Amino acid sequence: KQEVTQIPAALSVPEGENLVLNCSFTDSAIYNLQWFRQDPGKGLTSLLLIQSSQREQTSGRLNASLDKSSGRSTLYIAASQPGDSATYLCAVKSGANNLFFGTGTRLTVIP
Amino acid sequence: KAGVTQTPRYLIKTRGQQVTLSCSPISGHRSVSWYQQTPGQGLQFLFEYFSETQRNKGNFPGRFSGRQFSNSRSEMNVSTLELGDSALYLCASSYSRTSGGPETQYFGPGTRLLVL
Repeated sequence: KQEVTQIPAALSVPEGENLVLNCSFTDSAIYNLQWFRQDPGKGLTSLLLIQSSQREQTSGRLNASLDKSSGRSTLYIAASQPGDSATYLCAVKSGANNLFFGTGTRLTVIP
Repeated sequence: KAGVTQTPRYLIKTRGQQVTLSCSPISGHRSVSWYQQTPGQGLQFLFEYFSETQRNKGNFPGRFSGRQFSNSRSEMNVSTLELGDSALYLCASSYSRTSGGPETQYFGPGTRLLVL
């Protein structure tokens, strides 16, 4: 069974700092990996989707990489802002049509 | 295109009652998946419906059931509610024609259920 782990569980950084969130998964036979953002009490907002054949995806200040062979992905956030404060979840799609989620990293950006 | 919609957004029930949640997928999407999110267990897959048939199922008790209608709208039912069923229930739709594949899932805003 696919297991997804995210480290760290929580992270506080001063505004303007660059940061990296980590995600690891146990089964490298994945279709894709997706990074989501979740604000308190809200649903999921998709940030980036990396197909299994891709190595990275970029959107604005966000860059996600995928190393399928080692079972790892990173989400890089450049020049962090207080509005980036949220919980970040990674999810992998493998096997049938459902996602396996990590437990998330709660990010706080301090003004 | 309109996104995935879920109703109601909030619900309060008491133990022993049953509840029905509704999800309308993005137009053209025939696959609907349901997830439960709790502070202790995180996000867990409940089940997936495609063309009115349950195609995939997570590890939840039989109190959790669902169905899908011919217009792809889906309902999820929880019978004999327990305190531990308090959670955010998320629905996601995709265009996936096969069980497995690279298609993206699009999530709705969720229904927050509180069981007292």
